[in-house]
Amino acid sequence: AQKITQTQPGMFVQEKEAVTLDCTYDTSDPSYGLFWYKQPSSGEMIFLIYQGSYDQQNATEGRYSLNFQKARKSANLVISASQLGDSAMYFCAMREGRETSGSRLTFGEGTQLTVNP
Amino acid sequence: DSGVTQTPKHLITATGQRVTLRCSPRSGDLSVYWYQQSLDQGLQFLIQYYNGEERAKGNILERFSAQQFPDLHSELNLSSLELGDSALYFCASSVEGGNTDTQYFGPGTRLTVL
Repeated sequence: AQKITQTQPGMFVQEKEAVTLDCTYDTSDPSYGLFWYKQPSSGEMIFLIYQGSYDQQNATEGRYSLNFQKARKSANLVISASQLGDSAMYFCAMREGRETSGSRLTFGEGTQLTVNP
Repeated sequence: DSGVTQTPKHLITATGQRVTLRCSPRSGDLSVYWYQQSLDQGLQFLIQYYNGEERAKGNILERFSAQQFPDLHSELNLSSLELGDSALYFCASSVEGGNTDTQYFGPGTRLTVL
């Protein structure tokens, strides 16, 4: 079974509007972390935001916020006031708490976001 | 700039050859991770080192090996290369490798096997 599912292969948004990128996860560990990374066409992976499984509040970092719904096992990324430079591939990733997992990240397949002027 | 450096940026080689990819973690980070990104497999974890010791192993082929040196830089060795090994190889680093650690990625090495 997929541990991280991103159901939107592609998304389009108008500049200055908000957009939500979906991510659902599957784990039986009570302790885990959820991450979002951005990969522009140049290829580098840029860390955006982190949410821990025990965090009481949704994480926010500037224009990025994470809509964390633990019971539904979803961790959607919300980008407010989209900019042209936000056009990129976005990956959701999870790190589980089991010692045997080390600290590996398991990634989803990504969502290609295009911001239109 | 994440502070993680990887060399070379691009590598083109032939099947059957051996290459070494190098990674320097961010200053102060003890853990190094290697990931492979390919069109058919997506982003996959290969291996993690913490302060010179192997911590976790993922889908790393037997033809691949890695190590982390006393100065904490890491090398990923790929041997008997096949066409399917063509991919973008990322190194990431974090402070300790614990659950709350954030992994910061280097710019990647794009390997092309002809």
